[in-house]
Amino acid sequence: SQQGEEDPQALSIQEGENATMNCSYKTSINNLQWYRQNSGRGLVHLILIRSNEREKHSGRLRVTLDTSKKSSSLLITASRAADTASYFCATVPTDSWGKFQFGAGTQVVVTP
Amino acid sequence: EPEVTQTPSHQVTQMGQEVILRCVPISNHLYFYWYRQILGQKVEFLVSFYNNEISEKSEIFDDQFSVERPDGSNFTLKIRSTKLEDSAMYFCASRMGGSSYNEQFFGPGTRLTVL
Repeated sequence: SQQGEEDPQALSIQEGENATMNCSYKTSINNLQWYRQNSGRGLVHLILIRSNEREKHSGRLRVTLDTSKKSSSLLITASRAADTASYFCATVPTDSWGKFQFGAGTQVVVTP
Repeated sequence: EPEVTQTPSHQVTQMGQEVILRCVPISNHLYFYWYRQILGQKVEFLVSFYNNEISEKSEIFDDQFSVERPDGSNFTLKIRSTKLEDSAMYFCASRMGGSSYNEQFFGPGTRLTVL
C-alpha cells in the first residue's frame, strides 16, 4: 500500500453513531494530520498528532498514533449529518521539507 | 482568522494554452506548497518552495510547471502548455517555519479544466 492509506474506503453510518477510520503509512514521520474535504471543496485541517504523541482529542475527534505499527486512527463520536465528507490522513516524512503524502481517503456518509 | 486564498476558483482553458494559478499564502508563513487532486483521486504533492527557491518537487512537476513568488505576497503556479490530463483541482498551502513541521493551511483550490 502507499504512504497514508486509509481504510475503510467508504463508511456509511447513522447520525449519533461513531465513525472510525484508519490510516497506515510506511516511512518515518514527523507528524500525521487529518483533513476533511467536502465534495469538490478545499481541505479543512482537523487535527495534528506529532510522532511522540499517542493520542489527541479535539471536540468530537479522537486521534491515535502507533508509530511502531505505522498507523493512526480517527474516531468521530456522535456523528452528525454535517460530518458527511471525505477524510484524509497526511503524513510528513522525516526526510522532507514538510511535503504531505496523502492517502486515498475514507468517504463517510452520515444519514439522519 | 488568516487564511490562504486562491484565484481563480475555476479556470477553463484550451489544450496547449498557458495558465497561471494564483495563491496568497498567510502573511507570516515561510513554506509554500502546491498540490493537485485529479477528480476522484487522492491529493498529490507537486512542489515546495522556501526562501525563494524550490526545495522539493515531485515527478509530476516537470518542465511544463514553474512556480514563482513575484512580489513577496503572491505565490503562483504556471503551466506552460496545458494537457488534458492537467485537469484537476490545484491546492496551494503554506505553513510557518520552525523546527517542527506545523500545520499546513490549505487554500480553497482552483479547479482547472483543460478542453
